[in-house]
Amino acid sequence: EAAVTQSPRNKVAVTGGKVTLSCNQTNNHNNMYWYRQDTGHGLRLIHYSYGAGSTEKGDIPDGYKASRPSQENFSLILELATPSQTSVYFCASGTGSYEQYFGPGTRLTVL
Amino acid sequence: GQQVQQSPASLVLQEGENAELQCNFSTSLNSMQWFYQRPGGSLVSLFYNPSGTKHSGRLTSTTVIKERRSSLHISSSQTTDSGTYLCALERGANTGKLTFGHGTILRVHP
Repeated sequence: EAAVTQSPRNKVAVTGGKVTLSCNQTNNHNNMYWYRQDTGHGLRLIHYSYGAGSTEKGDIPDGYKASRPSQENFSLILELATPSQTSVYFCASGTGSYEQYFGPGTRLTVL
Repeated sequence: GQQVQQSPASLVLQEGENAELQCNFSTSLNSMQWFYQRPGGSLVSLFYNPSGTKHSGRLTSTTVIKERRSSLHISSSQTTDSGTYLCALERGANTGKLTFGHGTILRVHP
């Protein structure tokens, strides 16, 4: 069974603060993805990566950066968090046009 | 407009009844996936089904590419089937970039 873990699972941040969400996968998948899920919008792609050292912008990248230091790890960085970034964030891994496996999610609240 | 339309938005069943969930695409399809999500939970992949029909227990997924639609059939529903069902299509070949529908919320009463 594919394994994707995320940390932290819950986070409360202050406006203007820096937030880093971490994702680890043990599937040796090349591709990793960050999504956010909001009522009324569903899941939307923020950033993705095709391998260590690469990051690509998804559909809603503004206000977010991503880092892929290794095959296993993919981070999402909010340099200056805003209340509009309050959401549930999901990381996923996969290989091209095949199944994606999702992590448990991180609930972020920006006050 | 939204590329992935799911219907119905919500559905209430009595245990034992069957359900048919629909997913329609406004763009060409490379591949698609069905997910299940418990309230407050993560997404569990049910089917990766770019075309044709696949079965898994009481679940059946059918994707018809030329009609730009996919369906998920749940037979003999159980209370544990309650949750949200999401479909997602892949944009661009071999990218893995998914566009999700807004989901169908299913409630199964005992």
